[in-house]
Amino acid sequence: LAKTTQPISMDSYEGQEVNITCSHNNIATNDYITWYQQFPSQGPRFIIQGYKTKVTNEVASLFIPADRKSSTLSLPRVSLSDTAVYYCLVGDGLTGGGNKLTFGTGTQLKVEL
Amino acid sequence: DAGVIQSPRHEVTEMGQEVTLRCKPISGHDYLFWYRQTMMRGLELLIYFNNNVPIDDSGMPEDRFSAKMPNASFSTLKIQPSEPRDSAVYFCASSLGYIGGQGTEAFFGQGTRLTVV
Repeated sequence: LAKTTQPISMDSYEGQEVNITCSHNNIATNDYITWYQQFPSQGPRFIIQGYKTKVTNEVASLFIPADRKSSTLSLPRVSLSDTAVYYCLVGDGLTGGGNKLTFGTGTQLKVEL
Repeated sequence: DAGVIQSPRHEVTEMGQEVTLRCKPISGHDYLFWYRQTMMRGLELLIYFNNNVPIDDSGMPEDRFSAKMPNASFSTLKIQPSEPRDSAVYFCASSLGYIGGQGTEAFFGQGTRLTVV
């Protein structure tokens, strides 16, 4: 599985746009980039997934450059309720030992008033 | 669907006792995963099942841990005997198909917070 690197923590204020970048230099051709969100005392929750270019849903946008060696999760106009840990995962579910989802350390986002 | 259901939500037990954690996956999902989360080690995959069959248990820390999936709607994770270092939040997740690949996501339960004293 491709190793990912992301900042340990980020701080923001309500109403701002937050961009969390994840580095994955060893991404393989078949790998997808998936982001999960985890609130305190809850299990992780799927946010968004992409393969290349840009993906947008009702929660976030995911920007993936042409070389796919990094990706940026963009949260528009964050609120206090967006305070959570955000995990970037890379894989195709098949290589590196089967159907595994390996979580790194994640990025702790703290949103303040 | 009510999502992945885990029980109990909290468990406090004494060292040496047997602990059983339970999970009901989302109906129709063919994969079930058990994760453990601690501050020191983050989220660790312990074991996963496909169609009730254990596929990879390489993450199970030692023989004190065992997991079963007797049918498609129920799984257990058992620790016997329990030790203080087993204190963690244990998550169960299920998915329809391969996760990490295109279009498939894992759905997590609320977790069981285990404290071994």
